[in-house]
Amino acid sequence: AQSVTQLGSHVSVSEGALVLLRCNYSSSVPPYLFWYVQYPNQGLQLLLKYTSAATLVKGINGFEAEFKKSETSFHLTKPSAHMSDAAEYFCAVRSDTGRRALTFGSGTRLQVQP
Amino acid sequence: NAGVTQTPKFQVLKTGQSMTLQCAQDMNHNSMYWYRQDPGMGLRLIYYSASEGTTDKGEVPNGYNVSRLNKREFSLRLESAAPSQTSVYFCASSEVAQTGVGGYTFGSGTRLTVV
Repeated sequence: AQSVTQLGSHVSVSEGALVLLRCNYSSSVPPYLFWYVQYPNQGLQLLLKYTSAATLVKGINGFEAEFKKSETSFHLTKPSAHMSDAAEYFCAVRSDTGRRALTFGSGTRLQVQP
Repeated sequence: NAGVTQTPKFQVLKTGQSMTLQCAQDMNHNSMYWYRQDPGMGLRLIYYSASEGTTDKGEVPNGYNVSRLNKREFSLRLESAAPSQTSVYFCASSEVAQTGVGGYTFGSGTRLTVV
């Protein structure tokens, strides 16, 4: 069964600083990996997804993530934080066999300080 | 606009009352899902439907039932609401391709409070 661990329930950065949100996964088969963002009182919006085409995945709003099989990681980064990036971020995994629903991590709330 | 529509957006129930959360998608997706979101726990799968006519339990199915009414609609029913079911509920749909992975689209959520 697949699972996702997000390290750090809260991350605070200054505006203009690097954003790094950590995600480690566990899956018995090569995974599909996703990052979603949730703004207050809204639904989930897809930032990016890894589907084995390329290990470095670029998403919307300047975010990107790198799939590292040896580390079972899929960390999300953005070179320069903007105030509008303040939100909750979820990493998710979907196996290619069996149940095809997404399994989510517990989320990381990103604060951006002026 | 194409997407996933959930109703109602907000609901307050008394313990023991029943209600049905409605979900409809207009993207012709085969698969639909119900999740609940609780603070610090991310989203947890309640039930899913891989295709019309099939439903299966997820991680936290106790206290819930579902109906895949047709390809568009997937409802979630609470027969006897309990305070532990206070949560935000999300419906989602996806197209599961033979190769690769399709997109997952989420509704805007139903905020349910059981008192």
